Amino acid sequence: QSALTQPPSASGSPGQSVTISCTGTSSDVGGYNYVSWYQQHPGKAPKLIIYEVTKRPSGVPDRFSGSKSGNTASLTVSGLQAEDESDYYCSSYTGRLFVFGTGTKVTVL
Amino acid sequence: EVQLVQSGAEVKKSGESLKISCQGSGYTFTTYWIGWVRQMPGRGLEWMGIISPGDSDTRYNPSFQGQVTISADKSISTAYLQWSSLKASDTAMYYCSRGYVGTWDIWGQGTVVTVSS
Repeated sequence: QSALTQPPSASGSPGQSVTISCTGTSSDVGGYNYVSWYQQHPGKAPKLIIYEVTKRPSGVPDRFSGSKSGNTASLTVSGLQAEDESDYYCSSYTGRLFVFGTGTKVTVL
Repeated sequence: EVQLVQSGAEVKKSGESLKISCQGSGYTFTTYWIGWVRQMPGRGLEWMGIISPGDSDTRYNPSFQGQVTISADKSISTAYLQWSSLKASDTAMYYCSRGYVGTWDIWGQGTVVTVSS
């Protein structure tokens, strides 16, 4: 199964918004509402920030939001802050297993 | 506190065997899946496989099928990832994670495996 496609990088100034796309197929992203997003700082374990496409775990700021249209899911980070500079990965259920996206490095300018 | 604690860093030679562990605490271990994720140096995350400790239902990513074995011992709330013959290309960070309804919410701290040829 192929990795979901994410842009390698994205950037924005503090206070701006950045949106990351995650493109799959009807067998993963488009077929299930089990898309999640993970933030990974260097040398750290991934952290869940969005699950079931749009839901935020307790403790995750509402600056993070998720959406989906067809085979593409998106993560938007509004009001960028310095601590948002990180790698972000999407993941989708595939009917029996899971697949990650290729990852996006977000830089806060 | 809900947590997954992984075993420590390993340094091995090619051809050796290895079993790393992931112990859950603070929750009912058999209620959630455990997934294993590989991250090679400077690379992205890859799902290796998942196991349901309650009934040992195990599913492997085709890329890892036959290369590793995932198991669990529910009596001690521990999941395992093992290799029978390591290769240099197995050098990576390995994470375990707790899963439910398509979401992986708790992650272990990671186990670094270094394999020298």
